[in-house]
Amino acid sequence: NAGVTQTPKFRILKIGQSMTLQCTQDMNHNYMYWYRQDPGMGLKLIYYSVGAGITDKGEVPNGYNVSRSTTEDFPLRLELAAPSQTSVYFCASSSRGSSTDTQYFGPGTRLTVL
Amino acid sequence: SQKIEQNSEALNIQEGKTATLTCNYTNYSPAYLQWYRQDPGRGPVFLLLIRENEKEKRKERLKVTFDTTLKQSLFHITASQPADSATYLCALGDDKIIFGKGTRLHILP
Repeated sequence: NAGVTQTPKFRILKIGQSMTLQCTQDMNHNYMYWYRQDPGMGLKLIYYSVGAGITDKGEVPNGYNVSRSTTEDFPLRLELAAPSQTSVYFCASSSRGSSTDTQYFGPGTRLTVL
Repeated sequence: SQKIEQNSEALNIQEGKTATLTCNYTNYSPAYLQWYRQDPGRGPVFLLLIRENEKEKRKERLKVTFDTTLKQSLFHITASQPADSATYLCALGDDKIIFGKGTRLHILP
């Protein structure tokens, strides 16, 4: 049981490039989330999903896209990367909604946009 | 707008003493409040959840209180150990949760 896995661990992008951050969970959780964490700041919700085929925006969705074709996978797509997207990105999952249930976090992807 | 405040400065506590961290919130009446631990370079790890109708919750050396009148939660670690050194995040919400910035705790040997 690996929990929540994220790839890559680190990435440097040039302005305008695109990339996909991968997230997979093996706990059969319905809910999955993407957060970003800037230095010294709390986690900000980017997008979340309550099940395969269903996604919704969080607090800071601009510049990102997501899809949820399977229960296990929840990739985050960055189109036209900007320096403001330099951050650490965390994927998380939970069995029920985030407020009432434990969220399990992945190890994070550290992204730098130059 | 909703706001969560945690002490931005690091908290230094002598080993063996009780560490108390504070989480205040405004413009919000959450039904649930959670505490997470985050170590450097790692994702947060869930510690405790408390509901609005619960005043206090305990788990081993951890204790959380939730005062909906004061709009405040206190997080206590008793008999603190150097291994308790980490950043502690407060999170609260109803259908979705929002996180505070966290408080860095240093337990001094």
